[in-house]
Amino acid sequence: KAGVTQTPRYLIKTRGQQVTLSCSPISGHRSVSWYQQTPGQGLQFLFEYFSETQRNKGNFPGRFSGRQFSNSRSEMNVSTLELGDSALYLCASSTGQGANEQYFGPGTRLTVT
Amino acid sequence: EDQVTQSPEALRLQEGESSSLNCSYTVSGLRGLFWYRQDPGKGPEFLFTLYSAGEEKEKERLKATLTKKESFLHITAPKPEDSATYLCAVHTGANSKLTFGKGITLSVRP
Repeated sequence: KAGVTQTPRYLIKTRGQQVTLSCSPISGHRSVSWYQQTPGQGLQFLFEYFSETQRNKGNFPGRFSGRQFSNSRSEMNVSTLELGDSALYLCASSTGQGANEQYFGPGTRLTVT
Repeated sequence: EDQVTQSPEALRLQEGESSSLNCSYTVSGLRGLFWYRQDPGKGPEFLFTLYSAGEEKEKERLKATLTKKESFLHITAPKPEDSATYLCAVHTGANSKLTFGKGITLSVRP
């Protein structure tokens, strides 16, 4: 079974720009969660999508948004980029039922200059 | 609010020197506790899920245990390839949100 894939793997953007990241979950998984990982804060939950609906949201500003398509693929968008948005963005897929295991992709390394 | 604390922050072991990594948690209604391994530049790799106090799971040189307040990841006779950051996370809600600890960076010297 193919794992979780994320594109692009690396991205360099300038302050004020916007960016879209993509995540393809494991086949059959309907839940996609997004996390931001930084050296200071560790892994922090951004939001989760299940069957095209946002099911939960973390404490991030409205500049961070996402969506999920009917094939469970998900995108995350960050508008008006700030230097502090530089991080590793990880997506994780799961069945979305119960306390199920989440499987992570390799991440997208975003650098904002 | 759910809280997860991992200790120590970093651990250096000699090859073959067994030790334990600690994950303490304060949550309301634990549905599952997860251990992940993360290598530099990669996404976390799933290791174990523990659901209730007293539960234990093993995989090669790793053994995870769970009490009502903490979990331990025991590493027996570690090898240099066990060097990585080990993350602990809790699942408490009805959806898939995980709350992570800051991780423990393990270095095993040959």
